[in-house]
Amino acid sequence: EAQVTQNPRYLITVTGKKLTVTCSQNMNHEYMSWYRQDPGLGLRQIYYSMNVEVTDKGDVPEGYKVSRKEKRNFPLILESPSPNQTSLYFCASSFSTATANYGYTFGSGTRLTVV
Amino acid sequence: QQPVQSPQAVILREGEDAVINCSSSKALYSVHWYRQKHGEAPVFLMILLKGGEQKGHEKISASFNEKKQQSSLYLTASQLSYSGTYFCGTEPGSARQLTFGSGTQLTVLP
Repeated sequence: EAQVTQNPRYLITVTGKKLTVTCSQNMNHEYMSWYRQDPGLGLRQIYYSMNVEVTDKGDVPEGYKVSRKEKRNFPLILESPSPNQTSLYFCASSFSTATANYGYTFGSGTRLTVV
Repeated sequence: QQPVQSPQAVILREGEDAVINCSSSKALYSVHWYRQKHGEAPVFLMILLKGGEQKGHEKISASFNEKKQQSSLYLTASQLSYSGTYFCGTEPGSARQLTFGSGTQLTVLP
């Protein structure tokens, strides 16, 4: 089944303890992205990637790192999580062809709580 | 800069029509539309590229006015399953640097 898989689905951690949220897609998509969703603020892009080894900052990159060493994986790293990073996180992937563009397929989300 | 969506919320009866608008102050390469149901991930509905096209998806269609940097989502003969929050997303280029609006909560009542 074509999908974007995020792990874990739920995570409670303490301030300052480094964590990684994994994201993997099995559709050979070149584009991948991380979003956070907060009540009243909607979906905000953290980082996006246009292909392997090509990443760029989105609208809210502070406090996050990403890497794209393989096409299928796009992990989100929080080096020193803080309570203001408590949020619902979505990974998404997309692709285009010579004749058409397609939107993002989203993972199921990771609900992160930093205490 | 975040695109502006309107209205913020709309309540309909089954069979009624609705229009959701999305506008940007920046020149756009494309506009995306997504629907998110409570507790679920957003689901892609359609993408419109610059060139002023209109696309359809069952009873849901959309238009993109490139000159005005505006897009509208049209829901006709709404069904209960259309309930959810609709987001537009805008791209200045083709790299999927997608910025979402704040969403429009659509409720369809029997």
